[in-house]
Amino acid sequence: AQKITQTQPGMFVQEKEAVTLDCTYDTSDPSYGLFWYKQPSSGEMIFLIYQGSYDQQNATEGRYSLNFQKARKSANLVISASQLGDSAMYFCAMREGRDSSYKLIFGSGTRLLVRP
Amino acid sequence: DTGVSQDPRHKITKRGQNVTFRCDPISEHNRLYWYRQTLGQGPEFLTYFQNEAQLEKSRLLSDRFSAERPKGSFSTLEIQRTEQGDSAMYLCASSLIGVSSHHEQYFGPGTRLTVT
Repeated sequence: AQKITQTQPGMFVQEKEAVTLDCTYDTSDPSYGLFWYKQPSSGEMIFLIYQGSYDQQNATEGRYSLNFQKARKSANLVISASQLGDSAMYFCAMREGRDSSYKLIFGSGTRLLVRP
Repeated sequence: DTGVSQDPRHKITKRGQNVTFRCDPISEHNRLYWYRQTLGQGPEFLTYFQNEAQLEKSRLLSDRFSAERPKGSFSTLEIQRTEQGDSAMYLCASSLIGVSSHHEQYFGPGTRLTVT
């Protein structure tokens, strides 16, 4: 079974508007972490934001915020005031607390294109 | 630049040849990960090191693959007798495992391998 599901292969957003990228996850581990990474065409994965399963508040980092709905097992990324440089692939990832490797399990990604 | 670096960035090789990739992690990071990313997919875990010890290998890592991290610094990933199915982006990431960190992984730019 897929542990991380990103159902939007591609998304468009107008510059300066907000956009939400969806991510649902599946785990039986009560302790886990959720990550979002950005991958521009250059290939490097850039860490954006982290949400721990026990965190009481939704994570925010500048223009990025994570809409964490634990009961629905969703961790959607919200990008406010989109910029042209936000055009990239975005990956949601999870690590499970019981896995001491802390390896990341990635979704298949969403390609975001910001229109001027 | 103190980020994760990888060399080479691109490698084209003929089927059956051996290739070796290098990763230099962020200097104080004690964990180093290798992932493989094929077109249109998220990265998949291959193996990881805690300092110089290789602690886990994915079943994706066939016996043609070997990884080392001598002295707990840089790491090499070697593929012997390459096959066309080995064509992918090979990503290296490092992290610092400690009490208070989110254990986020920082990625290098990747090595894109093409097997002809």
